[in-house]
Amino acid sequence: AQKVTQAQTEISVVEKEDVTLDCVYETRDTTYYLFWYKQPPSGELVFLIRRNSFDEQNEISGRYSWNFQKSTSSFNFTITASQVVDSAVYFCALSENRDDKIIFGKGTRLHILP
Amino acid sequence: DTEVTQTPKHLVMGMTNKKSLKCEQHMGHRAMYWYKQKAKKPPELMFVYSYEKLSINESVPSRFSPECPNSSLLNLHLHALQPEDSALYLCASSHYAGPNTGELFFGEGSRLTVL
Repeated sequence: AQKVTQAQTEISVVEKEDVTLDCVYETRDTTYYLFWYKQPPSGELVFLIRRNSFDEQNEISGRYSWNFQKSTSSFNFTITASQVVDSAVYFCALSENRDDKIIFGKGTRLHILP
Repeated sequence: DTEVTQTPKHLVMGMTNKKSLKCEQHMGHRAMYWYKQKAKKPPELMFVYSYEKLSINESVPSRFSPECPNSSLLNLHLHALQPEDSALYLCASSHYAGPNTGELFFGEGSRLTVL
């Protein structure tokens, strides 16, 4: 069975603060893929990143960075210098190599306060 | 603007009605998906079409009937729904089905209310 846990249901920070969203996953496969998606109030899910299980390099894209650690089965997402437009629900997701499914965690609702 | 277009954006229907949700993409993707999302919950996979053939049905009740007339279109036919089926229905597409497909492109969803 595969499982994605986002323990933080809701987070509120003041604009310009850094914030980290946690994601812990569970899989028996050695090959798998991890994703982060953003869902703003408009409803559309926006792809942020995909990482495969063989690539543990951390990634930075502007104010966004991701820390993938297989040893702790975690794929955490950090927003640096947060902005109000970052307010959204963020989903971590997992796909195993055996099938076509992408399974989402329960999401973290992020509020960036002006 | 999203490259996956869903219509209608909002739909209200009675339990005896028959209606359809439509999804269209022109990115040449060969995999299309239906997800259901209840309020404050994650999207839940319903169906996956790969090369216009149904590859995954996540034990969805038969009152939901998907159809993929061609590689650009995906429909979800609705009949005899229950109030608990009220949700946001999200369509997505990807280059091909499978975990190595890269990102899913999502539409903005169709918000369904069943009275």
